[in-house]
Formats: sequence, structure tokens, C-alpha cells
Amino acid sequence: EAQVTQNPRYLITVTGKKLTVTCSQNMNHEYMSWYRQDPGLGLRQIYYSMNVEVTDKGDVPEGYKVSRKEKRNFPLILESPSPNQTSLYFCASSPRGGHYEQYFGPGTRLTVT
Amino acid sequence: GQQLNQSPQSMFIQEGEDVSMNCTSSSIFNTWLWYKQDPGEGPVLLIALYKAGELTSNGRLTAQFGTTRKDSFLNISASIPSDVGIYFCAGQYGNKLVFGAGTILRVKS
Repeated sequence: EAQVTQNPRYLITVTGKKLTVTCSQNMNHEYMSWYRQDPGLGLRQIYYSMNVEVTDKGDVPEGYKVSRKEKRNFPLILESPSPNQTSLYFCASSPRGGHYEQYFGPGTRLTVT
Repeated sequence: GQQLNQSPQSMFIQEGEDVSMNCTSSSIFNTWLWYKQDPGEGPVLLIALYKAGELTSNGRLTAQFGTTRKDSFLNISASIPSDVGIYFCAGQYGNKLVFGAGTILRVKS
């Protein structure tokens, strides 16, 4: 089944403790992206990647890192999480950037206390 | 950055009624997308629009890409209980995607 998977689905952590949220897609898509969803704000793009070893900032990149060492994986790294990073996070992929629709994973709900 | 104004914020309608929602922006977009999100899940693509003026249907859903490339609307005809959810518009420019704040749809059966 074609899909985007994320792990973990739920995570509660404390301020300053480094964490990684994994994202994997099995559709051989070149483009992958991370979003955060907050009430009343819709989804905001954090980082995106056009292909392996190519990443770029979205609209809200502060406090996040990403890497794209393999085509199928695009982990999101929070080196020193803070409470304002409490949010619902989605990974998405598409065949290529530009005019191609993106397919979303199931989401990761992160709480930073 | 680019911003999308999506309206209405929420709707509470009777089963069988038609629904209309729209997105506007001061910026031009290359592609407009409409997504639906059910509770506890990621957004699912409903309709994609690629050309100004394009009108596309998907079952009871119809969406249009505005001729100015700065707006789009989504219509749902004869709503049913499973239409409940949050609907998002999204505009694509370059390699980025920007989302509206969403329209919460509640249907009274």
C-alpha cells in the first residue's frame, strides 16, 4: 500500500531533550516536507526537500533540523525542544516539487512540557 | 510570506444542503489544492487545480481556480453526515505549499 508513515504518533517530552520524528514514504517520491498544525493557523511548512541531500527552509524553520540521506526517509529533529513547539506535525511527499499534489502521513502529536 | 484567507471559519448545515467555501489571497499561486482532514488523521487530497479558470469535479465536490490566480472556491452538493471534517485550501508557489486556516464543517442529520 502506498503510504507515508510517521513515528512516533504521540510523544510527550521535556524542554531541552533532543528528539527525532521519523518519516518514511514507499512511493519513490522525490519531494518531502514537514508541516506543523496549530489551531486557527492551518498547516505551516517547516522544511522541505526536493531530493536526496537537498533541503530548504519553509515558513517556520526556527528550532528544527532535517536531513535527507535516503530518498524514502526525511526525519525531523528538534535539538532542544521548547513548549512553543507543542503541536501536531505532518510529513508529506509528492512525486516532485512544484505542480504535484502532496500526500500526508497520519501525524505526530508532540507535547513539550 | 504568502497568506491565504479561508472562509467561512465554520459551518453548521442541514443534511442535503449545498455548501460553499472559498480562499483568497493577495498573491498569485500556480496550483490550488483542496484537502479534507478527519479527526486524528492527516489531510487527504480532494481536488487539484492547475490552470486559471479551471473547474473540476470529484463526485459531489466542485472546485474552481480563480481567473486572477488569487482565489479558489469549493462547493459540496447535497451534503451527507460523512462530509463532517475540516476542509483546507492550499496554494502552491514554486516548491512551497501554503495553507488556509481551514473551514470546519458540521452536518446536522
